[in-house]
Amino acid sequence: GQQVMQIPQYQHVQEGEDFTTYCNSSTTLSNIQWYKQRPGGHPVFLIQLVKSGEVKKQKRLTFQFGEAKKNSSLHITATQTTDVGTYFCAGGRAAGNKLTFGGGTRVLVKP
Amino acid sequence: SQTIHQWPATLVQPVGSPLSLECTVEGTSNPNLYWYRQAAGRGLQLLFYSVGIGQISSEVPQNLSASRPQDRQFILSSKKLLLSDSGFYLCAWGEDLWYGYTFGSGTRLTVV
Repeated sequence: GQQVMQIPQYQHVQEGEDFTTYCNSSTTLSNIQWYKQRPGGHPVFLIQLVKSGEVKKQKRLTFQFGEAKKNSSLHITATQTTDVGTYFCAGGRAAGNKLTFGGGTRVLVKP
Repeated sequence: SQTIHQWPATLVQPVGSPLSLECTVEGTSNPNLYWYRQAAGRGLQLLFYSVGIGQISSEVPQNLSASRPQDRQFILSSKKLLLSDSGFYLCAWGEDLWYGYTFGSGTRLTVV
């Protein structure tokens, strides 16, 4: 079945530094979504990418969908303590009714 | 606006006891509904999803079951809990794949 892998599993970042987390699918995706889960909370939808090579920005967050629609990345610039949490990508396939979530990247920020 | 309610927030149950977690959605009709489980510090495991009343798809064979008795109600059940059933259970709804899921606040289940 479809698998979505995220790397790294953990990311320790110094406050003010940039980092990137990657998402790779075993199959071509119709769309990819990103979610953020704060410690103790529930996942919250951030953004969706649909087009090959699409790039979207939300303030300091930049999301990219690969040309082959099998991978995606999330880049955060000038990390802040508010960025702490786990970031999940989730891929969809056109014929299905469900998303497949990656294992998440847990981000810890050192002040 | 749409809202999703999930309860209880925390639950401690002995091994072998039954389980019933309820999730309801307001402000939408015929939503796709999902039950996920998250082990501590881990990813989201899809347990069940439903595209309509009485329609349940199971993703992982286990001692859990799900039911959708009404359009906006999704119930997760077990007849006899196992220690391995401990985790953070999340209900979510979505119109379809092209819209982000909205998650409930979750139930932290500890089986002792």
